[in-house]
Amino acid sequence: QKEVEQDPGPLSVPEGAIVSLNCTYSNSAFQYFMWYRQYSRKGPELLMYTYSSGNKEDGRFTAQVDKSSKYISLFIRDSQPSDSATYLCAMSKGTGGFKTIFGAGTRLFVKA
Amino acid sequence: DVKVTQSSRYLVKRTGEKVFLECVQDMDHENMFWYRQDPGLGLRLIYFSYDVKMKEKGDIPEGYSVSREKKERFSLILESASTNQTSMYLCASSSRTGEITDTQYFGPGTRLTVL
Repeated sequence: QKEVEQDPGPLSVPEGAIVSLNCTYSNSAFQYFMWYRQYSRKGPELLMYTYSSGNKEDGRFTAQVDKSSKYISLFIRDSQPSDSATYLCAMSKGTGGFKTIFGAGTRLFVKA
Repeated sequence: DVKVTQSSRYLVKRTGEKVFLECVQDMDHENMFWYRQDPGLGLRLIYFSYDVKMKEKGDIPEGYSVSREKKERFSLILESASTNQTSMYLCASSSRTGEITDTQYFGPGTRLTVL
């Protein structure tokens, strides 16, 4: 069993839709949770990071962590064609650039 | 802005060749990482380095070696390239302050094809 599971998609939505991207994990020691966005032929770029459980909002993006269920989510409101990318969840046990485990990524298409 | 650069965007090599992939970061980060990314498998850690001349094996080090002679530069070496090493190779770096902001910053990737 992989430590981090993420549905690869693809997920196709119309412009303006609310998108929900999810990951589950098995290791309860993970405390730091991140979402990366990767455009085609580019490296991943950090979108958001959160610590422990709870929500964090940044513009149209909301990251949610439920440690009791070992489940994290990224919501995108009012999705735009420019949001079309692969979204990777990532998590680690500690800071200091500690070893990070990545999900396989979900490919998202937002149709105009 | 953190900048991580990789020496080549696309590379085509033949089986058995020795291949060098170079990565340079300009943010004085202590940590550097090499990953490979394959469809359905996500990012897999090959090697990482916490300091100059230090290296640690990741999850899939077989067939690879690394070199870190200077803080800003981390090289990945394929001693004898094989077709199963055809992949996207990503370099990353991070600080080590103990803060949540010690997240990894990635380069643009090198797509390596071994024929």
